[in-house]
Amino acid sequence: NFMLTQPHSVSESPGKTVTISCTRSSGSVASNYVQWFQQRPGSSPTTLIYEDDQRPSGVPDRFSGSIDSSSNSASLTISGLKTEDEADYYCQSYDRSNHVVFGGGTKLTVL
Amino acid sequence: EVQLVESGGGLVKPGGSLRLSCAASGFTFGSYGMNWVRQAPGKGLEWVSSISRDRSEIYYADSVKGRFTISRDNAKNSLYLQMNSLRPEDTAVYYCARDDSGYYYFAYWGQGTLVTVSS
Repeated sequence: NFMLTQPHSVSESPGKTVTISCTRSSGSVASNYVQWFQQRPGSSPTTLIYEDDQRPSGVPDRFSGSIDSSSNSASLTISGLKTEDEADYYCQSYDRSNHVVFGGGTKLTVL
Repeated sequence: EVQLVESGGGLVKPGGSLRLSCAASGFTFGSYGMNWVRQAPGKGLEWVSSISRDRSEIYYADSVKGRFTISRDNAKNSLYLQMNSLRPEDTAVYYCARDDSGYYYFAYWGQGTLVTVSS
């Protein structure tokens, strides 16, 4: 099985842009779709990005996803940060054996 | 409106068993693959198991393989997780989640049910 590594925490000021990385340990990040989830304290996760860069309806275009084969990583970028964006963010992908892996999560602080 | 409602959680002793249920409504349950995902207190998300819409494909995380069994009843719009030989490290909130793409796009999640394994 592979691992997805995220920074434990990031912080940025309101109105700024932050990028959260998600690095795949083995296998190509381009081979299997990456999803991103947001989880606020006490709530269930919600999807921000699916299939690498697709936004579900209702998710603001301040949220964007991408993958970079050269670094074998995926990224979630949040622009125009708002205090309500404070949450935990998780990347997720899978492998050919249909094992699903989540990243360890990144706590975003907007200060 | 899509709804997923988990139930069956509770306190169980190590080595015990528990059966979780996930009641689905607001969509054609039999048209979607389903998953269980758990989250230990203060920890991150961990995928547990998946089942295809027709039960032909079932997968488990290594941490639960041989102890947990996922199943579904499309006629009852329900997903299940039979958990045997429970360990303290299985303590977590268990979520059911709908796969909207076949590529593990968990578009909808339930509110979760807490399982506590302790003597």
